Amino acid sequence: GAGVSQTPSNKVTEKGKYVELRCDPISGHTALYWYRQSLGQGPEFLIYFQGTGAADDSGLPNDRFFAVRPEGSVSTLKIQRTERGDSAVYLCASSRDISNTGELFFGEGSRLTVL
Amino acid sequence: AQSVSQHNHHVILSEAASLELGCNYSYGGTVNLFWYVQYPGQHLQLLLKYFSGDPLVKGIKGFEAEFIKSKFSFNLRKPSVQWSDTAEYFCAVNGAGSYQLTFGKGTKLSVIP
Repeated sequence: GAGVSQTPSNKVTEKGKYVELRCDPISGHTALYWYRQSLGQGPEFLIYFQGTGAADDSGLPNDRFFAVRPEGSVSTLKIQRTERGDSAVYLCASSRDISNTGELFFGEGSRLTVL
Repeated sequence: AQSVSQHNHHVILSEAASLELGCNYSYGGTVNLFWYVQYPGQHLQLLLKYFSGDPLVKGIKGFEAEFIKSKFSFNLRKPSVQWSDTAEYFCAVNGAGSYQLTFGKGTKLSVIP
C-alpha cells in the first residue's frame, strides 16, 4: 500500500481482556517497529523486527505484551490481561532496511482505551 | 540511557514570525538526530535528520536545524512560519547503530493567521 496501515484505529476494551493490534507496513520495507504514545508524551519504543524475527524487544513493558511478524510483512501486537495503564496510542512504523534506523514511516496509530 | 528534552510545551506565533524550537539530548556516544512532525489528524512524518557532516541541515517546507555538539542541542528553526505549520513537533535521537529512537515529549506549535 501507499503507507503504513494500522487496524483498528480505535479499540475500547475492558480491563482484563485480550487485544490484538495489526500493522501492515509499506511494501518492501523489511524493518518494522512498534512504539507506544501515552497522553502528553512522545512515542516510546516497544519492539523492532528485521524480517520475521524480533531483533530487539527490550521496550516491551512486561510479559503481557507480545508481538509477531510470521511472514516478514504484517505484524500483530498482542496484549493480554489489559490494564488501564495500557491505554495509549500504539504506533507502527517501517523502514526500508536496517541502515535507515531513524527514517521511519509511521502509521496513524491504534488508539487503545482500557476501561 | 539516552533522553531528549524539548523546552517548550506549546508555542503560539503569528504568521511570518520566526520559529525556534529547542531540543537537548543526553547520550554518551555518536548520535543521529531527527525532527518529526505530526499535523492535525495525520501520522508522524520525518521533517529532517542529521547523521554526520554539515551540522546545519535543511528539511522540507523551509525548516532547518543546527547540531551543536558542545551543547548537545539540535534546535529547529524556520525564518517565517505559515498557518499550515500548525502541528506538533518531536525531536528524536538514536545512538549510531541503534534501532531505538528516543523521542522528546513534543512541542505544539499554533500559528495564528
